[in-house]
Amino acid sequence: GAVVSQHPSRVICKSGTSVKIECRSLDFQATTMFWYRQFPKQSLMLMATSNEGSKATYEQGVEKDKFLINHASLTLSTLTVTSAHPEDSSFYICSARDGNGDTEAFFGQGTRLTVV
Amino acid sequence: GQNIDQPTEMTATEGAIVQINCTYQTSGFNGLFWYQQHAGEAPTFLSYNVLDGLEEKGRFSSFLSRSKGYSYLLLKELQMKDSASYLCAVLDSNYQLIWGAGTKLIIKP
Repeated sequence: GAVVSQHPSRVICKSGTSVKIECRSLDFQATTMFWYRQFPKQSLMLMATSNEGSKATYEQGVEKDKFLINHASLTLSTLTVTSAHPEDSSFYICSARDGNGDTEAFFGQGTRLTVV
Repeated sequence: GQNIDQPTEMTATEGAIVQINCTYQTSGFNGLFWYQQHAGEAPTFLSYNVLDGLEEKGRFSSFLSRSKGYSYLLLKELQMKDSASYLCAVLDSNYQLIWGAGTKLIIKP
């Protein structure tokens, strides 16, 4: 199957700083990428959907100025958590879908963010 | 509204068979996925059904009935490593994935 690489896998940052998470599709062109966050023992919560070259579509309740998403190329999307606070600590996961009509979403490995 | 229902937790014995059910009500349907997720890891793909019937893949099988809005994931010859959460997700008319809350499967020796 297709490979999606997410980096970093774990990050600890100080409150007030910003953290960037990268999501790369390694062997296909990801026209659409999805960003999720997952709290312990809960299911995935979609934060935003990004299409290459256009602005991301954020889900209700997700602050677009706090969670900056950039999908500048067909193989890379980034999520930047700005001015992080302890309540932003969570598991962030990206997934990508190619533009060839495949419906399966391929997941990155996830990023465990801890804000101290 | 859109809704995916699956049991919160199930327990089964090593070597046995377990069936995890999923019912859905979504705006449109373009397929149903099952994913396995171990604690602290990202989900991994198990199956995709878009037509009615049973799809078998090794020890795992997935069934779909579109008229009933129902699917199940069948796991045979359970192994301890099958202890995980199993997520049901439906692709709606906008090709957005709608996720269930997941079923935590506990395997006992």
